[in-house]
Amino acid sequence: AQRVTQPEKLLSVFKGAPVELKCNYSYSGSPELFWYVQYSRQRLQLLLRHISRESIKGFTADLNKGETSFHLKKPFAQEEDSAMYYCALRFQGGSEKLVFGKGTKLTVNP
Amino acid sequence: EPEVTQTPSHQVTQMGQEVILRCVPISNHLYFYWYRQILGQKVEFLVSFYNNEISEKSEIFDDQFSVERPDGSNFTLKIRSTKLEDSAMYFCASSLDPYNEQFFGPGTRLTVL
Repeated sequence: AQRVTQPEKLLSVFKGAPVELKCNYSYSGSPELFWYVQYSRQRLQLLLRHISRESIKGFTADLNKGETSFHLKKPFAQEEDSAMYYCALRFQGGSEKLVFGKGTKLTVNP
Repeated sequence: EPEVTQTPSHQVTQMGQEVILRCVPISNHLYFYWYRQILGQKVEFLVSFYNNEISEKSEIFDDQFSVERPDGSNFTLKIRSTKLEDSAMYFCASSLDPYNEQFFGPGTRLTVL
């Protein structure tokens, strides 16, 4: 079965520290991977997707097919990065649905 | 910037009652979705809709659920006879095409008593 696992429910770092939010997936085909972010009282919004290979708000994520991971990283966390982060997967070819992980709540302390 | 909107933001209903959750997708989008998130759990796919037809649905989307695009702007999710376990946040999303970004609405919190 296709599954997305985010092992950390909560992650707390200090401002300026590096942050890594972990995401692992299980899927036999070639997935498309996404990170969505939900700031307090706001809607889910796309942060980045692996096929675009870009950096958004200082965040990057690399798809590692060998380790079936798509960890989200930022070298220097800011207080405004505090939010819920959801990793999601979409099957390439045929299905439009997103399969989400349970999310990690990131808190960046001053 | 255009956004997906959803009404109401919070709906409280009695078990067994019918509810209709409403969504207005982004105007030039053609693909529409409903997801739900039970408190403390994952966001789960319910259904996708294109060209006035369901294109994909999950096992959660049983006969109690239906979707409709009654006019050129609204996209609705109906639950015929609500159960306690239907209590969740329901998100609508839309996209220009199935390979593009899905834009999410703010959600409707459904509470079934």
